[in-house]
Amino acid sequence: AQSVTQPDIHITVSEGASLELRCNYSYGATPYLFWYVQSPGQGLQLLLKYFSGDTLVQGIKGFEAEFKRSQSSFNLRKPSVHWSDAAEYFCAVAHTGGFKTIFGAGTRLFVKA
Amino acid sequence: NAGVTQTPKFRVLKTGQSMTLLCAQDMNHEYMYWYRQDPGMGLRLIHYSVGEGTTAKGEVPDGYNVSRLKKQNFLLGLESAAPSQTSVYFCASSYEGSGGAYNEQFFGPGTRLTVL
Repeated sequence: AQSVTQPDIHITVSEGASLELRCNYSYGATPYLFWYVQSPGQGLQLLLKYFSGDTLVQGIKGFEAEFKRSQSSFNLRKPSVHWSDAAEYFCAVAHTGGFKTIFGAGTRLFVKA
Repeated sequence: NAGVTQTPKFRVLKTGQSMTLLCAQDMNHEYMYWYRQDPGMGLRLIHYSVGEGTTAKGEVPDGYNVSRLKKQNFLLGLESAAPSQTSVYFCASSYEGSGGAYNEQFFGPGTRLTVL
């Protein structure tokens, strides 16, 4: 069965430091991959997506992610974190079995001054 | 454009009561979804719709019903609320395009439901 794993429940980084959030998926074919961000009390907003082509994709707010087929990973990165990046981040895989997207459990990011 | 809106934002029910959550989108999207979000579990799909007049079950459909009489609206009903249905409910929509059904989803702000 398809699944998405985000190994880190929460991460704390200092403002200005780099960030990497991990995502691993289990899927038989080439997946459609997404990263979403959820600020407190809000719905999810798309950060970036990968369908095909260049395995390094750029998103909004200075985020990028790299698709590594050999590792079944789609990790999210940002070179310098801002306090406003504090939020919960969800990795997701589109399910070609029929109109379904599978979400990971999320990683909550805390940013310290 | 308002995007995806949800009504109400908060609701408290007693066990056994019924209610309907309304989702509306003004982006002319074909696909609409209802999710529930519980701590540590991400989002789980309740029901979804691939077009006006069509609905289908998702991962956790028991205790819920849906209807999509108009393309822009997707209603989620709880017939007899139970404490296990205490959750935050999100509606989302997505569109046809190069990714087809796998395009990104646009989310509403959520409805926080408490069942006592």
